[in-house]
Amino acid sequence: QVHLQESGPGLVKPSETLSLTCTVSGYSISSGYYWGWIRQSPGKGLEWIASIRHSGDTYYNPSLKSRVTMSVDTSKNQFSLKVNSVTAADTAVYYCAREGQAAAVGGYWGQGMLVTVSS
Amino acid sequence: EIVLTQSPGTLPLSPGERATLSCRASQSVTNNYLAWYQQKPGQAPRLLIYGASSRATGIPDRFSGSGSGTDFTLTISRLEPEDFAVYYCEQYGSSLWTFGQGTKVEIK
Repeated sequence: QVHLQESGPGLVKPSETLSLTCTVSGYSISSGYYWGWIRQSPGKGLEWIASIRHSGDTYYNPSLKSRVTMSVDTSKNQFSLKVNSVTAADTAVYYCAREGQAAAVGGYWGQGMLVTVSS
Repeated sequence: EIVLTQSPGTLPLSPGERATLSCRASQSVTNNYLAWYQQKPGQAPRLLIYGASSRATGIPDRFSGSGSGTDFTLTISRLEPEDFAVYYCEQYGSSLWTFGQGTKVEIK
């Protein structure tokens, strides 16, 4: 069974960089699929942030592209997200996910991690 | 970028009733790459439907998806107590994924 787990600081100061890692078990990232990040601001809907393949091919949400970087470490079976110059608007639950069938962004999901941007 | 518009925003129904949720795309969805998710409070979303009409593993057959092009529907044939939740549609095309704003199915 595919299992994903987010980790990283739960509190980030404004203007700093948010960094999260997703550790995958039960499936090798090198075997395929897109691996992505989705976030949900408090009381709001879902927003796709970015997705990456083991080869490094990466797609970004155009509205966030200038501040976001994704990377993958196949040796650790992990992928990561960095968001630069954060503001309070970046406060959200961040989910990592594995692509499902027919390009569904989230066939498998992590439990989610709340990241708060505050001084 | 394709914009997905879900309606209604809130759907008050009673257990046992039929739920019909709509998702309309601003442009035709490539290859019907349209998915539906269920999300309960404090939980991650769960994939229900992919490819517009295929049920994900373990999803009860009271959930069904239909549609093509720009108009898609999620139907819950008879609502069970555990089905009251928020439902999102999502599409993939041109190297982008986008979500609808969600429909909340609440107890009437």
